[in-house]
Amino acid sequence: DTEVTQTPKHLVMGMTNKKSLKCEQHMGHRAMYWYKQKAKKPPELMFVYSYEKLSINESVPSRFSPECPNSSLLNLHLHALQPEDSALYLCASSQDPPFGGIGSPLHFGNGTRLTVT
Amino acid sequence: AQKVTQAQTEISVVEKEDVTLDCVYETRDTTYYLFWYKQPPSGELVFLIRRNSFDEQNEISGRYSWNFQKSTSSFNFTITASQVVDSAVYFCALSDRTDSWGKLQFGAGTQVVVTP
Repeated sequence: DTEVTQTPKHLVMGMTNKKSLKCEQHMGHRAMYWYKQKAKKPPELMFVYSYEKLSINESVPSRFSPECPNSSLLNLHLHALQPEDSALYLCASSQDPPFGGIGSPLHFGNGTRLTVT
Repeated sequence: AQKVTQAQTEISVVEKEDVTLDCVYETRDTTYYLFWYKQPPSGELVFLIRRNSFDEQNEISGRYSWNFQKSTSSFNFTITASQVVDSAVYFCALSDRTDSWGKLQFGAGTQVVVTP
């Protein structure tokens, strides 16, 4: 069983909808991540939170808005998405943030399969 | 510049055959980490192994083994006596401290298909 829990598993939304993806980890990890993965491609980093603060935004469009309410929770708010945003959205956590070359492995959730119609 | 190369797009084997996945990496850093992740059809990426650049010992975990060779910048992964449950996409990844600040850089992935 994965120790990073993501909800919902599947989401279909229209381009005018507002929805949120949720992620939870109880491993005491200090960094949390959002990745986007298109079919047959590796995951692409979107955001990194370190100690509950946004530390990296990989030039993600503003229609994606991350939020870290506490050290265990990570949300991704979606608004006015485009059909090309359809993908698997993966949440991950790591014991330590990635900076400084500590190399903590990432632990991923099962992902949310998002379809934008 | 691409930092992790997985040249094999897809490998198909029959159950009980061995399969080796190649991974070649590129970095200017002297301290770095290499990883392998497995992604079954369910979607979750499962962490398999981490090696740091100072530890070239090969590792075996059950039917899985890894061969790390700094001289050829390779970190290859072998599944011995493959099983249908090994069918998945396998990603090799690198983390270093250069321009990517420790960000995990994935290879393109290798799809392994094991048929009964």
